[in-house]
Amino acid sequence: GNSVTQMEGPVTLSEEAFLTINCTYTATGYPSLFWYVQYPGEGLQLLLKATKADDKGSNKGFEATYRKETTSFHLEKGSVQVSDSAVYFCALDYGGATNKLIFGTGTLLAVQP
Amino acid sequence: EAEVAQSPRYKITEKSQAVAFWCDPISGHATLYWYRQILGQGPELLVQFQDESVVDDSQLPKDRFSAERLKGVDSTLKIQPAELGDSAMYLCASSLVHVGTGEETQYFGPGTRLLVL
Repeated sequence: GNSVTQMEGPVTLSEEAFLTINCTYTATGYPSLFWYVQYPGEGLQLLLKATKADDKGSNKGFEATYRKETTSFHLEKGSVQVSDSAVYFCALDYGGATNKLIFGTGTLLAVQP
Repeated sequence: EAEVAQSPRYKITEKSQAVAFWCDPISGHATLYWYRQILGQGPELLVQFQDESVVDDSQLPKDRFSAERLKGVDSTLKIQPAELGDSAMYLCASSLVHVGTGEETQYFGPGTRLLVL
């Protein structure tokens, strides 16, 4: 079936460090891929997305490239800030009649000053 | 910028009581979703509406959960009776399919955090 696997957290970094959060997926067909971010006590916010192979999604300094050959969509940022501390969810939308999102379990990022 | 509205933000109830959550999607969004997010996990879909019709409720525990979207705009999710295991964040999302590309993006509300005692 369709699924998303994320690296387990928490990920603890110092400010200005490089961030990578790994995400791999299993899906039939060609899903769209998403990264959502959830700040403490809040709902999910769309961070970036990619809809086809080799697409790169980017927003607020974050990037992720849709890699069909490795079924991956790793999230990266060159220099994290304390304000980036949140839980990050990788998700896929396998389309079809229902366009359901399937989420990974989330990765907690803690950035220390 | 338009947002998905949800209320209440927090709800504490005792087991066996009834609870209800409300969601107002972004204006013009035909598709509405209810998700449940257990602490430490990703959201899981409970029910999906297209306008006023249910498209997918395969993961909705229908013995105690019900959802409606009578006029195809706002929606209510109800639990009766609530159980301890229902403690979670309940998220509403809405989406619109881009006419040109067929792409769809879901936008989430702030959620209702439910605690069942």
